[in-house]
Amino acid sequence: AQKVTQAQTEISVVEKEDVTLDCVYETRDTTYYLFWYKQPPSGELVFLIRRNSFDEQNEISGRYSWNFQKSTSSFNFTITASQVVDSAVYFCALITSGSRLTFGEGTQLTVNP
Amino acid sequence: DVKVTQSSRYLVKRTGEKVFLECVQDMDHENMFWYRQDPGLGLRLIYFSYDVKMKEKGDIPEGYSVSREKKERFSLILESASTNQTSMYLCASRGGWEDFYEQYFGPGTRLTVT
Repeated sequence: AQKVTQAQTEISVVEKEDVTLDCVYETRDTTYYLFWYKQPPSGELVFLIRRNSFDEQNEISGRYSWNFQKSTSSFNFTITASQVVDSAVYFCALITSGSRLTFGEGTQLTVNP
Repeated sequence: DVKVTQSSRYLVKRTGEKVFLECVQDMDHENMFWYRQDPGLGLRLIYFSYDVKMKEKGDIPEGYSVSREKKERFSLILESASTNQTSMYLCASRGGWEDFYEQYFGPGTRLTVT
């Protein structure tokens, strides 16, 4: 069985603060993919990043960065210098070969001006 | 860019009506999905399809049916809408291993059943 846990239900920060969203996963498979999605108030889930289980290299894209650590089964997401437009629900998700995507419960991030 | 479109952003129906939610994708993906999203319950899978005319029940199929007559189109049907089916409905399509299993979502349909 697969499981994704996002322990932080809600996070509130002030603009320009850095914020890290935690994601811990469970799977017995050695080959899998991890994803992060953003859901702004409009409702559409927007794909942000994919990482496969064989690639532990961290990734940076502008103000976004992702830290993948197989040793702790974590795939955390950091937003540097947060902005009001970053306010959204963020979902972490996991898939193994031929299976369904398993989502975490989501973290509601609110960035206040 | 992958495009997944849904027929309506907002829909209001009466109890007992038959409701069709349409989803179309343009990436030739074999896999398509219908989810509903409710506050505090996360994303729940209703049905999915891995090929034309093929369908599989998800976690909450009761009260719903689906149709996939063409590869690009996946329809969710509420045979007799009820108030507890008021929700946000999200369609998604996904490629296979060659596409790294990336799943893309439509904009969602907010359905209200009165």
